[in-house]
Amino acid sequence: ILNVEQSPQSLHVQEGDSTNFTCSFPSSNFYALHWYRWETAKSPEALFVMTLNGDEKKKGRISATLNTKEGYSYLYIKGSQPEDSATYLCAFRRTYKYIFGTGTRLKVLA
Amino acid sequence: EPEVTQTPSHQVTQMGQEVILRCVPISNHLYFYWYRQILGQKVEFLVSFYNNEISEKSEIFDDQFSVERPDGSNFTLKIRSTKLEDSAMYFCASSATGGADTQYFGPGTRLTVL
Repeated sequence: ILNVEQSPQSLHVQEGDSTNFTCSFPSSNFYALHWYRWETAKSPEALFVMTLNGDEKKKGRISATLNTKEGYSYLYIKGSQPEDSATYLCAFRRTYKYIFGTGTRLKVLA
Repeated sequence: EPEVTQTPSHQVTQMGQEVILRCVPISNHLYFYWYRQILGQKVEFLVSFYNNEISEKSEIFDDQFSVERPDGSNFTLKIRSTKLEDSAMYFCASSATGGADTQYFGPGTRLTVL
């Protein structure tokens, strides 16, 4: 059974703090790892698609790293802002099938 | 910016009835997907679709489910005889290619089976 785990499940940080979360996935038959940002009542918004071991991608204050050999990816947010409050989902892709984690719910307190 | 649209936003149906959920993917995209999220649970992959054929489907996608691209713009998910446990949020997504490409999600259809 393919399983994707995300931790922590939720966290609260103060505005200005930097934070990070983890996505763990099977290390075999890896094709890609997707990160999404999902605000309540909206569609998941794609952040990154990562494919190569050692990949590091950045979008503004958000960045992600990938380790396919050990099966994990980190998402970092530098200087969190209230508008970063959302659920951050990762999805592991093998062939054309996607397995999602449960997400990390981030609340940034002003 | 182009976006994926879905209709209806909310569908209520009686158990045993057929429902069709509609999606309009981004116009130049070639790969289409359906996902669902039962309240409080993970987003689950249902099916991927390319060139008028299913590329891959999950264990959830049994004979009660079917997908179709009836014309050049719509992509539909049909549930033949709905069960209470089919109540969920159903998301459509599309991507330009089948490679490691960004998927764009629609806003979802909330299906409630009574």
